Amino acid sequence: QQQVKQSPQSLIVQKGGISIINCAYENTAFDYFPWYQQFPGKGPALLIAIRPDVSEKKEGRFTISFNKSAKQFSLHIMDSQPGDSATYFCAASRASNDYKLSFGAGTTVTVRA
Amino acid sequence: KAGVTQTPRYLIKTRGQQVTLSCSPISGHRSVSWYQQTPGQGLQFLFEYFSETQRNKGNFPGRFSGRQFSNSRSEMNVSTLELGDSALYLCASSRVEGDTQYFGPGTRLTVL
Repeated sequence: QQQVKQSPQSLIVQKGGISIINCAYENTAFDYFPWYQQFPGKGPALLIAIRPDVSEKKEGRFTISFNKSAKQFSLHIMDSQPGDSATYFCAASRASNDYKLSFGAGTTVTVRA
Repeated sequence: KAGVTQTPRYLIKTRGQQVTLSCSPISGHRSVSWYQQTPGQGLQFLFEYFSETQRNKGNFPGRFSGRQFSNSRSEMNVSTLELGDSALYLCASSRVEGDTQYFGPGTRLTVL
């Protein structure tokens, strides 16, 4: 079964708006939560990652919020640009053991100019 | 520093054939993982290699196998191809196990 649930499946946002993607997990042993961005015909590229000892991490226009008690984490894309149009995947792993990434189903983001 | 490279980029095979895909990790990276990406199942973990040893395996049949060489390069093999094996096969490398994984562009396999 899918260990990481991601929503929404797709979203459309206007240029300059905020895109929000949510993920939930069940396995409390997960201790590493990366987000990947994938453009058509390319492999996933690491965007930003967080570990459960912090509740928020920001890199440029991208912010991860992490809620350990709710077992949820989310990606916020501020001031969305047309170049942000891509598919975004959340993932989780036990970085201290096992190491394999369990991915969410992906969210296709379209930014309208 | 060059990224992860995968060859070939595209491959067309027929049912029953076998295929070998190759992955060259980022220089200095010793861990290589393989993932299958399909529209229906998304990204699924196949296996992970470190120091020429398979360290972890996903829920795929034995037709899927792999290996890693002393220079950290890796190959995966799929025997007796089925239509459902059509997918994008992605290789990811990391410096050591548990470190950030960096993905290659993938090999697009089409089985006819």
